Amino acid sequence: AQSVTQLGSHVSVSEGALVLLRCNYSSSVPPYLFWYVQYPNQGLQLLLKYTTGATLVKGINGFEAEFKKSETSFHLTKPSAHMSDAAEYFCAVIGGSNYKLTFGKGTLLTVNP
Amino acid sequence: DTAVSQTPKYLVTQMGNDKSIKCEQNLGHDTMYWYKQDSKKFLKIMFSYNNKELIINETVPNRFSPKSPDKAHLNLHINSLELGDSAVYFCASSQDLGNEQFFGPGTRLTVL
Repeated sequence: AQSVTQLGSHVSVSEGALVLLRCNYSSSVPPYLFWYVQYPNQGLQLLLKYTTGATLVKGINGFEAEFKKSETSFHLTKPSAHMSDAAEYFCAVIGGSNYKLTFGKGTLLTVNP
Repeated sequence: DTAVSQTPKYLVTQMGNDKSIKCEQNLGHDTMYWYKQDSKKFLKIMFSYNNKELIINETVPNRFSPKSPDKAHLNLHINSLELGDSAVYFCASSQDLGNEQFFGPGTRLTVL
């Protein structure tokens, strides 16, 4: 069965600083990987996804993530944090024949002025 | 235009009652899902329907019964509500199994 581990339930950065949110996964088959963002009292919005092909994927709002098979990682980065980036971020994997989307426990990103 | 919509947005009810949450998607997707998000923000899939056929049924109490009258709708009926059912319930849809999922705004259920 697939699983996702997000290191750090809370990450705090200063505005303009690098954002790095860590995600490691386990999967019995080549995974599909996703990052979602959830703003307070809202649903989840897809930031980016990896299925096949280029391992560096770019998403919305300046975010990108790199699939590293050898490290079973899919870390999310953004060069310069903005106040509007403050939200909960979820890494997720589809890694089995039942196509079930399994989420990590989320990382709350706080951006300080 | 709202892609995935849910009603109601908030639902407050007493223990033992029966309630339903409705979900509709206008994206033309074949697959729909229900997720539960607990107080610690953990998201867990409950059910998945593909072309109106139940595909995923996690270890959910049989008090929860999904119903898909057509591909655009997936409703969730809950019998004999318990305190532990309090959570935010999200509906989602995708073009097919394995594709990116689009989420609704959520329904916050509070059982008193």
